Amino acid sequence: QSVLTQPPSVSGAPGQRVTISCAGSSSNIGSGFPVHWYQHLPGTAPKLLIYADNNRASGVPDRFSGSKSGTSASLAINGLQAEDEAEYYCQSDDSSLSRLFGTGTKVSVL
Amino acid sequence: EVKLVESGGELMSPGGSLRLSCAASGFVLTSYDMNWVRQAPGKGLEWIAYMSGSDGIIYYADSVKGRFTISRDMNSLYLQMSSLRVEDTAIYYCGRDLPCTSTSCYTAIDLWGQGTLVTVSP
Repeated sequence: QSVLTQPPSVSGAPGQRVTISCAGSSSNIGSGFPVHWYQHLPGTAPKLLIYADNNRASGVPDRFSGSKSGTSASLAINGLQAEDEAEYYCQSDDSSLSRLFGTGTKVSVL
Repeated sequence: EVKLVESGGELMSPGGSLRLSCAASGFVLTSYDMNWVRQAPGKGLEWIAYMSGSDGIIYYADSVKGRFTISRDMNSLYLQMSSLRVEDTAIYYCGRDLPCTSTSCYTAIDLWGQGTLVTVSP
């Protein structure tokens, strides 16, 4: 079964830049399927941050940016803020006609 | 206001059946591609079902194929769950895909409900 692999956790001090990787394969990200990113706080609905690799969703600060290369994608958060502490997920499609979410990354603000 | 509200989650026994509902307001549900996504306790998000808005094409994750059925009417999305297993315990979210632009459609979910909890326990 296809998997999108993310680091379990990343952390940074306020104002720093952190990046979250999303490693896929030739059957998903590597096939050119777009990558989307979500922010999820416990007990709330997930929030779309980035769609189609590098497009910010409506109302998302420009501190958040996305990129993709080969079979991987990344989410960068510049100028880290306390309110950015959350779980982050990448998502893409797979050639098996399913959608995949990444394993999730907990961002902590030191 | 544009929103989605899920309902129907409850405590179930293994092997049981349950139907979840997702009420849409502020937009016409049948004009959008819709999804069900779940999150088991301590786990990440898992996509489980999709229905296209225009022609009702349906896809399922392997983990629920043959046991769960997605359906809709004008205002609500449904998930009929049968042969429930302990591992189906999760918060179930419905979600609406980003509207297509004039040139592209994306499989990103831009509108989510707050979720409904399904617990399957002996």
